[in-house]
Amino acid sequence: DAKTTQPTSMDCAEGRAANLPCNHSTISGNEYVYWYRQIHSQGPQYIIHGLKNNETNEMASLIITEDRKSSTLILPHATLRDTAVYYCIVRVASGNQFYFGTGTSLTVIP
Amino acid sequence: DAGVIQSPRHEVTEMGQEVTLRCKPISGHNSLFWYRQTMMRGLELLIYFNNNVPIDDSGMPEDRFSAKMPNASFSTLKIQPSEPRDSAVYFCASSVDSYSYEQYFGPGTRLTVT
Repeated sequence: DAKTTQPTSMDCAEGRAANLPCNHSTISGNEYVYWYRQIHSQGPQYIIHGLKNNETNEMASLIITEDRKSSTLILPHATLRDTAVYYCIVRVASGNQFYFGTGTSLTVIP
Repeated sequence: DAGVIQSPRHEVTEMGQEVTLRCKPISGHNSLFWYRQTMMRGLELLIYFNNNVPIDDSGMPEDRFSAKMPNASFSTLKIQPSEPRDSAVYFCASSVDSYSYEQYFGPGTRLTVT
């Protein structure tokens, strides 16, 4: 069961920051927020995850609101290769299944 | 590491035929997952294994589907008999354990049943 809501699609200009929102208003205290992406014709790829603190890695930043009911994935300088479907998923740390939902189709425009 | 390896990459078969999809997980990973992706239903988990043992097969659509993992480096997903509605992309993924935040996906097998 997908417990997240994401926009169906978004566009972003190449070189600009891409900000992908996710609503997870029913998230539980022990559930993490995970982001994966799926480039066309490939398998999904892990991006980042977090519990309540903001997180950053070499791919992206994850900003989680204080009430944890929503989050934003930030790709700081989008490239054409970032065109993909981005999935926001909530899951307990001890869980073993990811429910991918429908995701946001991000198109990076030259 | 070569990543998760799946074969074949494409399979076209006629309704009623047996289809076997293969997966080699990343060495050292103890959990293996089989997913199916269609336009209508998105990406669905079919079954997963921990240490070669099937843990949850509640996503397997019906008895025509079966999966095995005879050893740590090989798994199969079999459909017998196949039907047109089984047409989809089938992904195999592996992770260090089933709780891991990162699952590594293979390139998928695109199955077409005519």
